[in-house]
Amino acid sequence: QVQLQQWGAGLVKPSETLSLTCAVYGGSFSGNNWSWIRQPPGKGLEWIGEVNHFGSTNYNPSLKSRLTISMDTSKNQFSLNLSSVTAADTAVYYCAREDSKEESYFYLYWGQGILVTVSS
Amino acid sequence: QSVLTQPPSVSGAPGQKVTISCTGSSSNLGTGYGVQWYQQLPGTAPKLLIYANSYRSSGVPDRFSGSKSGTSASLAITGLQAEDEADYYCQSYDTGRIVFGGGTKLTVL
Repeated sequence: QVQLQQWGAGLVKPSETLSLTCAVYGGSFSGNNWSWIRQPPGKGLEWIGEVNHFGSTNYNPSLKSRLTISMDTSKNQFSLNLSSVTAADTAVYYCAREDSKEESYFYLYWGQGILVTVSS
Repeated sequence: QSVLTQPPSVSGAPGQKVTISCTGSSSNLGTGYGVQWYQQLPGTAPKLLIYANSYRSSGVPDRFSGSKSGTSASLAITGLQAEDEADYYCQSYDTGRIVFGGGTKLTVL
């Protein structure tokens, strides 16, 4: 059974860097792509970006200039760093494993989600 | 503004059928990328219901079905139950990135 467990600071000051980590238990870490997705309070889902098993990344263009996603295969973990945060970055942040079938890419396994609030 | 367009809300009485639409464009659903559907209950992570247009995820009741045609897709829920009241999101792929619909709130009357 695949489980994702995420952690990080729940309160970040404006202009500082938001940092989250997601640990993967079970399944193949090196054989999959790993994503971050966020959801502002009361709003919909937004894909942030992903890292693949080669360590290559793919980012949402709207966040690319502030975003770094990395992975540590020795620990079966991947991380998110979002710099220069503002109140607009306040959201529940999820980590998830990307699976694929034919021309479809989807998320069966999700972390529990962490509410990150940007406030002074 | 979401790349995929969903109605903000739908409703139905217990036992009825409801359909949730998801409209895309030539750069996502129209290129052949599949569509997925998620159910999200308050305070929980989204749950995968349908992937690759019409495949049900393990454990999902056959009351839930998905279809896609051209640049549109739909999720149908038959035999509506009170526990189906939730937010539903469609998701696909568009020019190198994952995209979601804005979400639809299903109310069971």
